[in-house]
Amino acid sequence: GEDVEQSLFLSVREGDSSVINCTYTDSSSTYLYWYKQEPGAGLQLLTYIFSNMDMKQDQRLTVLLNKKDKHLSLRIADTQTGDSAIYFCAESFRDTDKLIFGTGTRLQVFP
Amino acid sequence: DTAVSQTPKYLVTQMGNDKSIKCEQNLGHDTMYWYKQDSKKFLKIMFSYNNKELIINETVPNRFSPKSPDKAHLNLHINSLELGDSAVYFCASSQNRDPYEKLFFGSGTQLSVL
Repeated sequence: GEDVEQSLFLSVREGDSSVINCTYTDSSSTYLYWYKQEPGAGLQLLTYIFSNMDMKQDQRLTVLLNKKDKHLSLRIADTQTGDSAIYFCAESFRDTDKLIFGTGTRLQVFP
Repeated sequence: DTAVSQTPKYLVTQMGNDKSIKCEQNLGHDTMYWYKQDSKKFLKIMFSYNNKELIINETVPNRFSPKSPDKAHLNLHINSLELGDSAVYFCASSQNRDPYEKLFFGSGTQLSVL
């Protein structure tokens, strides 16, 4: 079955790096995604990685995928207070646009 | 038990038809939402209900009508379906209408209009 888990909460100091983790059970996914939930803005797609890649970097964001351990992580370098939000990982599968969302991680950045 | 469940998972229908998607949450949450996933995987909010009261109604054609018979259910009815309505629709819920509350998602309904 499809099950995507995340840690509930992460607190970091401004300027430090944040690492948000995600584990999933169904290894047949084609893409894995990171979304950011901000109030009133819907869910914003931050980045995604194809399932045959190990790493993707996009400015301050680095996505690491360990297929063997079914583990996905999002690293935010130089975390800012504006990064405070809830972050969801999600996966999609061949022949469908549907996404399976993780449980979400609340990131709190303090000065 | 699934926390937020929506049915059907897949819906294929002809243009011009009327269809409904149902959503139920067993989390005891006060607030429920409908999101539409666009071609860039952005989830755009359509409606939000809090304790059966409509609180968010984004710019959505009035062919889309949400109905909340009780706070555990939020159904989406679509009249006169058009090709452009083809998308994945997600239901979600949160404890309350605080914008910082975490969302819990259903598994999505893939709507295909032919």
